[in-house]
Amino acid sequence: DQQVKQNSPSLSVQEGRISILNCDYTNSMFDYFLWYKKYPAEGPTFLISISSIKDKNEDGRFTVFLNKSAKHLSLHIVPSQPGDSAVYFCAAADTGGFKTIFGAGTRLFVKA
Amino acid sequence: DAGVIQSPRHEVTEMGQEVTLRCKPISGHNSLFWYRQTMMRGLELLIYFNNNVPIDDSGMPEDRFSAKMPNASFSTLKIQPSEPRDSAVYFCASSFGAANTEAFFGQGTRLTVV
Repeated sequence: DQQVKQNSPSLSVQEGRISILNCDYTNSMFDYFLWYKKYPAEGPTFLISISSIKDKNEDGRFTVFLNKSAKHLSLHIVPSQPGDSAVYFCAAADTGGFKTIFGAGTRLFVKA
Repeated sequence: DAGVIQSPRHEVTEMGQEVTLRCKPISGHNSLFWYRQTMMRGLELLIYFNNNVPIDDSGMPEDRFSAKMPNASFSTLKIQPSEPRDSAVYFCASSFGAANTEAFFGQGTRLTVV
């Protein structure tokens, strides 16, 4: 039972264009969402987050959008750079507890 | 701070052997998590501790898996006996506070059971 789903295993984008990574969740108790980025042979690192009281959060080239009614969030990277090539994990949390559930990840390739 | 430190980085062991993975969280963090990454399931939460107490171990796949946190600066994940299907990358992460704070991950232990 996957509570957090990233249905695209991989995505390929040209340098300078927009990358859009999608994530769906099923548990309506989730009220905080995070994106992590992972390079090979390293642990995931935090990228950006959003609380359920917001529908958008922006940090430089990275923007996360949250659609609570659809239980869907997306990460936009504009413009995409070759250094953005990595695996991106969507994660969701119920702030009433301590548990954070991760999706399976999407591998992003940014071509120069 | 050096970040979350895991050891060993790589472990190759024979089926049936005991394996112990180690983690030193960031000083001052009060939550510690063990995750397993596989191609099929992505990052699975195995167990998490708060203030050294196991809060939820529902993600531990079988009784062969056990985890301890004897103090705030050390945790172990043990597999006994190990099986080839346990082969994966195991991550330890720590955070200060609850689920709405970012977690800091170690570099992981790549376990291969032959």
